[in-house]
Amino acid sequence: AQSVTQLGSHVSVSEGALVLLRCNYSSSVPPYLFWYVQYPNQGLQLLLKYTSAATLVKGINGFEAEFKKSETSFHLTKPSAHMSDAAEYFCAVSPNTGNQFYFGTGTSLTVIP
Amino acid sequence: DTGVSQNPRHKITKRGQNVTFRCDPISEHNRLYWYRQTLGQGPEFLTYFQNEAQLEKSRLLSDRFSAERPKGSFSTLEIQRTEQGDSAMYLCASSLAEGTQTQYFGPGTRLLVL
Repeated sequence: AQSVTQLGSHVSVSEGALVLLRCNYSSSVPPYLFWYVQYPNQGLQLLLKYTSAATLVKGINGFEAEFKKSETSFHLTKPSAHMSDAAEYFCAVSPNTGNQFYFGTGTSLTVIP
Repeated sequence: DTGVSQNPRHKITKRGQNVTFRCDPISEHNRLYWYRQTLGQGPEFLTYFQNEAQLEKSRLLSDRFSAERPKGSFSTLEIQRTEQGDSAMYLCASSLAEGTQTQYFGPGTRLLVL
């Protein structure tokens, strides 16, 4: 069975501070992992994905995530938060032979000026 | 660059009415997915198609819900006899069947049932 846990439904950071959004997964098979961002009243935009290649994945807008198999984690980070990063972030897991994505409940990021 | 498009973007209906949503995937993508998202939650899988075949349906998809992809291109999601609990954002995504199967999402259709 596949599932995703996002710790912290709300995260606030100051502009310029480090962003850390946590994601832990469970999967019965080696998974593919994804981070998506959702702005108000919009669909989901792909930030980055892990597909069994390099464990440190770089995405758009300065975000990156590291796959740690021993910790079953795929945390999202950005060294310096920008006001435009304020949005909802979703972690998703997909078994590498599967079809549907399993999403976490999301983390709302607020950036304080 | 034509991504996934969905129409309408917003729909307000009265309880008991039928509604239909349309999704146009990225043109070369052979897989199409429907998800439902309620406030404060992540998207929940409803169903998916590979070409015109509906290959999987979630238990969330009650008998009042039906989805089609008649020519393997666009898809429609119909909800019959809508209920207030159907109020949600309905998201469509598409992907290739090969490789990482990364899903690309449309902007969604927000449904409000009064």
